[in-house]
Amino acid sequence: EVQLVESGGASVQPGGSLRLSCSASGFSFNRYAMNWVRQAPGKGLEWIAYISSTGSTVSYADSVKGRVTISRDKVDDFLFLQMNNLGVEDTAVYFCASHGFNYDFDYWGQGTLVTVS
Amino acid sequence: SYVLTQSPSLSVAPGETARITCGGNNIGRRSVHWYQQKAGQAPLLVVNDDSDRPSGIPERFSGSNSGNTATLIISGVEAGDEADYYCQVWDSGTNSGVFGGGTKVTVL
Repeated sequence: EVQLVESGGASVQPGGSLRLSCSASGFSFNRYAMNWVRQAPGKGLEWIAYISSTGSTVSYADSVKGRVTISRDKVDDFLFLQMNNLGVEDTAVYFCASHGFNYDFDYWGQGTLVTVS
Repeated sequence: SYVLTQSPSLSVAPGETARITCGGNNIGRRSVHWYQQKAGQAPLLVVNDDSDRPSGIPERFSGSNSGNTATLIISGVEAGDEADYYCQVWDSGTNSGVFGGGTKVTVL
C-alpha cells in the first residue's frame, strides 16, 4: 500500500524557517517524481514545487521561488521542503504528492500544517 | 501562466447527474485530471488523462475534454459525493502544476 506521511509542520514567526519531510513507502520511490502542494485555510490547492525522480530537475511556483528548496533522499525514501523567510501568506496545509506518469498527482499524504503568525 | 477556471459551487439532487466544468485556453489539447477533496481530507484522484478512472474509483465518475472546456461527470450522485472538486493540468513548458479554483458540490 502506498503511504506518504508528512511531518515538520509547526507554528513559526514571520521571517522564520521550517523543513518539512515526507516519508514514502509502498512503492518504488526512486522511480517517481514528487511534488509539494499547499492549501491555505478555506482556499484551493496550490502547486508549489516539483522534483524529478533523480533529483536533477526541480521547479517552483513563482509564489515561493527563491524561498523554498525541494530535495529528496534516495536512500531512506524521503522528500523534503526547506522553507525560509516565511510570511503569513505561507500559512497552509502542505501535502506531498507523487507525480503520476500522466502528469497527475496520483498519491497524496494527509498533510502537515504550517502556521506563520 | 496557464489559468483554469471553475465555477465556485454546484448543487445537485441525489440520483441526478453533476457536471463540473473547467475552462482553459485550448484545454482540449491538454491532459486534464480531477480530484475530489472531502472536508478535512487529502485530495483523491478520481479521473486522470481526461476520462480514465484510477483503480477503485466508481464508474459513476467520468470525464470529457474538448475545445476550451473539460468536464467531470458524476452520474447518480450520492450523499457521499459531497466535496470540493479540482481540475489540474501540467504545464510542460514551465514544468509546473496548475489547479483550477475548485467547485464545491452540495448534494441536496
